[in-house]
Amino acid sequence: GNSVTQMEGPVTLSEEAFLTINCTYTATGYPSLFWYVQYPGEGLQLLLKATKADDKGSNKGFEATYRKETTSFHLEKGSVQVSDSAVYFCALRAGTALIFGKGTTLSVSS
Amino acid sequence: GAVVSQHPSWVICKSGTSVKIECRSLDFQATTMFWYRQFPKQSLMLMATSNEGSKATYEQGVEKDKFLINHASLTLSTLTVTSAHPEDSSFYICSAEPTGQALSYEQYFGPGTRLTVT
Repeated sequence: GNSVTQMEGPVTLSEEAFLTINCTYTATGYPSLFWYVQYPGEGLQLLLKATKADDKGSNKGFEATYRKETTSFHLEKGSVQVSDSAVYFCALRAGTALIFGKGTTLSVSS
Repeated sequence: GAVVSQHPSWVICKSGTSVKIECRSLDFQATTMFWYRQFPKQSLMLMATSNEGSKATYEQGVEKDKFLINHASLTLSTLTVTSAHPEDSSFYICSAEPTGQALSYEQYFGPGTRLTVT
C-alpha cells in the first residue's frame, strides 16, 4: 500500500540555521508529492509540490526534489526564520486521496 | 482567496448524542470535499470523499452509518457523528477541491474541529 514516513520532531533550530526534514514514501505507480504546512490555529496550506521524478518544488525559500531512486522528498531551507515555526506534513497523492506523514514540528528561536 | 471554514472549531458532547460539523468553501465552489481525522501526534487519515449531489465514498474501516456525510451544495459539506462515544473524540479536518481543478491537485484545508465526547 501507499505510505509516507517523515522524521519525528520536534526540530528546534536557531534563526538562520539550515533545515532538513526527511520524507520517504512507498507507493505503487508514480504519485505526486507534497509538503503542507500548518501554522498555529490555521488549516493546512500547500507549501510546495512535485508531480514527477526529478521535479523540484520550491516556495518561500523551501525546496524539495522528487527522488524516485531513493523514494524521497526531503524538505530543505537554507536559512530558517522564527515565522517558519509550524508543523510540516509530507504527503503523496495517488488517485484522489492524499496520504500524509505524521507531521514534524519545527520551532525556530531568535 | 481559497478559504475553507469549519464550524464549530471545538465541541464537547455527551456519549450517545450526535454532533454535526460543517465545512464551507467561502470563495470558491467545490464539487469534491474530503474529511480527515487526526489523532494526537498521528497523521491525517482520510475518512471519506464527499461529492456534491451524490453519496460519499468511505475509506475502508470507516463506518458510514456512524459518520454521516452530506454534500448538499457546492460550498457546504457536513459530517455528523451519530451516537458519539469517547473513542470518537478526535480532531476532524475537512478539505475542498475547487471545481474543475482536480488536475492541479490543490486541496484547501479547514482549520479543523476538536470533538470531545464525555
